[in-house]
Amino acid sequence: QVQLQESGPGLVKPSETLSLSCSVSGGAMSSYYWAWIRQPPGKTLEWIGYTYYTGSGRFNPSLRSRVTMSVDMSNNQFSLTLTSVTAADTAKYYCAQMGGSSFRHLFVAAWGNGTTVIVSS
Amino acid sequence: DIVLTQSPATLSLSPGERATLSCRASQSVSSTFLAWYQLKPGHAPRLLIHGVSTRATGVPDRFSGTGSGTDFTLTISRLQPEDFAVYFCQQYDSSPLTFGQGTRLEIK
Repeated sequence: QVQLQESGPGLVKPSETLSLSCSVSGGAMSSYYWAWIRQPPGKTLEWIGYTYYTGSGRFNPSLRSRVTMSVDMSNNQFSLTLTSVTAADTAKYYCAQMGGSSFRHLFVAAWGNGTTVIVSS
Repeated sequence: DIVLTQSPATLSLSPGERATLSCRASQSVSSTFLAWYQLKPGHAPRLLIHGVSTRATGVPDRFSGTGSGTDFTLTISRLQPEDFAVYFCQQYDSSPLTFGQGTRLEIK
């Protein structure tokens, strides 16, 4: 059974870049799409995007211009970079393994515990 | 974007009772691209149901999902103490993938 663990800074300054990593154990990195999802305080979950080890991916159009995701096969990790952050990016960020058989129709098969990121000066 | 509206926002029930959670979509969710998740404080969220009605591995059979088009339901037949949590529906029919705002299931 796959286990996922997020890591990264809990505090990021406005206009700077948020970078998070997710360590994966028990899951073959080349077999799944890997995702990031966030939940701002008092709001519902928001899908950020998912990526494959080849670099292909699918992203939320509302965040696409600021998001980069990549997979590090050698270290069993994948990462999220979100540029030009504002207070609206304050949220609990979850990394996840996607499930399903079609690139365009994937559900969240497994989740990390989440890590809280606050954007503040 | 497909907006998912869950009701009720909060459901107060006792262990042993039956819980019925609703998820309504702003437009038809084609095929069976709807999932349900359980969130508990301090725990990783958990996939319960995908494909509208397929239970994830290890999910007890007291959890069941039904529905089609714009109306979907998660039913928990006999509530156990560990079932009190927040439940989210999610559609993966079209981009962006979207989630409902959640139903909080609390002990009465």
